[in-house]
Amino acid sequence: DGGITQSPKYLFRKEGQNVTLSCEQNLNHDAMYWYRQDPGQGLRLIYYSQIVNDFQKGDIAEGYSVSREKKESFPLTVTSAQKNPTAFYLCASSLQISNTGELFFGEGSRLTVL
Amino acid sequence: DQQVKQNSPSLSVQEGRISILNCDYTNSMFDYFLWYKKYPAEGPTFLISISSIKDKNEDGRFTVFLNKSAKHLSLHIVPSQPGDSAVYFCAASVANSGYALNFGKGTSLLVTP
Repeated sequence: DGGITQSPKYLFRKEGQNVTLSCEQNLNHDAMYWYRQDPGQGLRLIYYSQIVNDFQKGDIAEGYSVSREKKESFPLTVTSAQKNPTAFYLCASSLQISNTGELFFGEGSRLTVL
Repeated sequence: DQQVKQNSPSLSVQEGRISILNCDYTNSMFDYFLWYKKYPAEGPTFLISISSIKDKNEDGRFTVFLNKSAKHLSLHIVPSQPGDSAVYFCAASVANSGYALNFGKGTSLLVTP
């Protein structure tokens, strides 16, 4: 089945540690995205990538880093510089970044920093 | 600066009645609008969309209305069912702009039996 797989689903980390969230898609989509959801804040864009080896900052990129070495993979690293990393993280993809196509979301990863 | 606004954080409706979820936007360049539905601990799923060349799009129990002059769109669910209880996100974009979707903060809908 085609889709987007995020792992891990739940992750606990100590303050000051970097953590990487995985996102893999087999939909052959060019564009991939990372969003963060906090209660009452909706979905806020962290980073997005239109093609391999290219990515752009979203609205809240500070404290995060990404890479896009393969079309199907778009991992997100939450660094120790992120002041409030506890959140629900959503990865998404779309055929292109033309915006007339829908986004397909993964199941999400919940990160809790202790 | 929030360009897509959903001013009602929550809405409660009785089963069988109509649910109306509202969304306002500030960017007059937006020309494509989508609604997503999200259950707890899951990713959002696409529900329905509308292009700015239309003022209405219908899909089964779901209808989206667009009022460009008011920069307002609404999602109507008729009849509402308990399984519709979820958070609904409005999103907007400028088609082919190369920019990602702008999402509202969401409205939590509760449909009671």
